[in-house]
Amino acid sequence: EAQVTQNPRYLITVTGKKLTVTCSQNMNHEYMSWYRQDPGLGLRQIYYSMNVEVTDKGDVPEGYKVSRKEKRNFPLILESPSPNQTSLYFCASSSRDNKETQYFGPGTRLLVL
Amino acid sequence: SQQGEEDPQALSIQEGENATMNCSYKTSINNLQWYRQNSGRGLVHLILIRSNEREKHSGRLRVTLDTSKKSSSLLITASRAADTASYFCATVNSGYSTLTFGKGTMLLVSP
Repeated sequence: EAQVTQNPRYLITVTGKKLTVTCSQNMNHEYMSWYRQDPGLGLRQIYYSMNVEVTDKGDVPEGYKVSRKEKRNFPLILESPSPNQTSLYFCASSSRDNKETQYFGPGTRLLVL
Repeated sequence: SQQGEEDPQALSIQEGENATMNCSYKTSINNLQWYRQNSGRGLVHLILIRSNEREKHSGRLRVTLDTSKKSSSLLITASRAADTASYFCATVNSGYSTLTFGKGTMLLVSP
């Protein structure tokens, strides 16, 4: 089944403790993105990647890192999480041939205490 | 930056009625898309309309685009309780694979 998977789905952590949210897609998509969703603010893009080893900042990249060493994986790294990073995070991917249509993962709900 | 802005923020209707949501945006676009999100879940792509199109249909969905007014509307006909969800418009600028989302319209369809 074609899908985007994220792990973990739920995470509670404390300020300053490094964490990684993994994202993997099995559709051989070139493009991958990370978004965060907050009440009243909608979805905002954090980082995106157009291909392996190519990443770019989105609208709200501060406090986040990403890497794209393999085509299928696009992990989101929070080196030193803070409470304002408590949010619902979505990974998405799309193909070069149909780049406008993005396929979303199920989301990761993060709480930073 | 937020590009699309949906209107209304929330909409409550009865099953069988039609639901209309609007989206306005600020800059020129390559295309505009509508997504649905069930509570706390990932977004699902519904329909895409390109900047040179004015209207598009998909099942019970009808999307219009007015580039002169920088606005789009999503009409769901004969709504069902299962249509209860949040609906987002998203715009794509030429040359990018990134989407810029609006804040969404929450639709509640009561049986």
